[in-house]
Amino acid sequence: DGGITQSPKYLFRKEGQNVTLSCEQNLNHDAMYWYRQDPGQGLRLIYYSQIVNDFQKGDIAEGYSVSREKKESFPLTVTSAQKNPTAFYLCASSIRGGGSNQPQHFGDGTRLSIL
Amino acid sequence: AQSVAQPEDQVNVAEGNPLTVKCTYSVSGNPYLFWYVQYPNRGLQFLLKYITGDNLVKGSYGFEAEFNKSQTSFHLKKPSALVSDSALYFCAVRGPYNQGGKLIFGQGTELSVKP
Repeated sequence: DGGITQSPKYLFRKEGQNVTLSCEQNLNHDAMYWYRQDPGQGLRLIYYSQIVNDFQKGDIAEGYSVSREKKESFPLTVTSAQKNPTAFYLCASSIRGGGSNQPQHFGDGTRLSIL
Repeated sequence: AQSVAQPEDQVNVAEGNPLTVKCTYSVSGNPYLFWYVQYPNRGLQFLLKYITGDNLVKGSYGFEAEFNKSQTSFHLKKPSALVSDSALYFCAVRGPYNQGGKLIFGQGTELSVKP
């Protein structure tokens, strides 16, 4: 079955530590996204990528970094500069990015907590 | 700036009764609108979208949504609610072309269907 796989499901970060969240898709989608979900705030965009080897900051990129070396993979690193990382992180993909009327498909998320 | 509002944090409905989850939007130009559903500790599942054409859009699991341009609304509806419909519902609008097609989400509405 085609879909988006996020791992791990739960992740704990120690003070001063960088952690990396994995996102893999086998939908052959060009565009991939990372969103952060906090209770009562909906989802906010962290980073997005419309093509391999290119990515752009979203609305809340500070303290995060990404890479897009392969079409299928879009890992997110939460750095020690992100002072409030506790949240539910969702990865999504769509056939194309800007201008597309197609829905985004979502993974099942990674819940990150501070130790 | 484009935005989406879901005026109700929570909607309570008895099983078998019709349900409505409200959404209003603010965009320049023609909107691409989406509804998603989220079950606990899961990702978002696509329900339906409005791109153009018929103002009544039918989607998954018996849901439908009515697009009203004059009222800038896109309310989600179902004629007969099920207990299994209890979940968090998000309305979203596609963002500007030059922002990678990101989704702009409302804050979510918790739907509770009681037997």
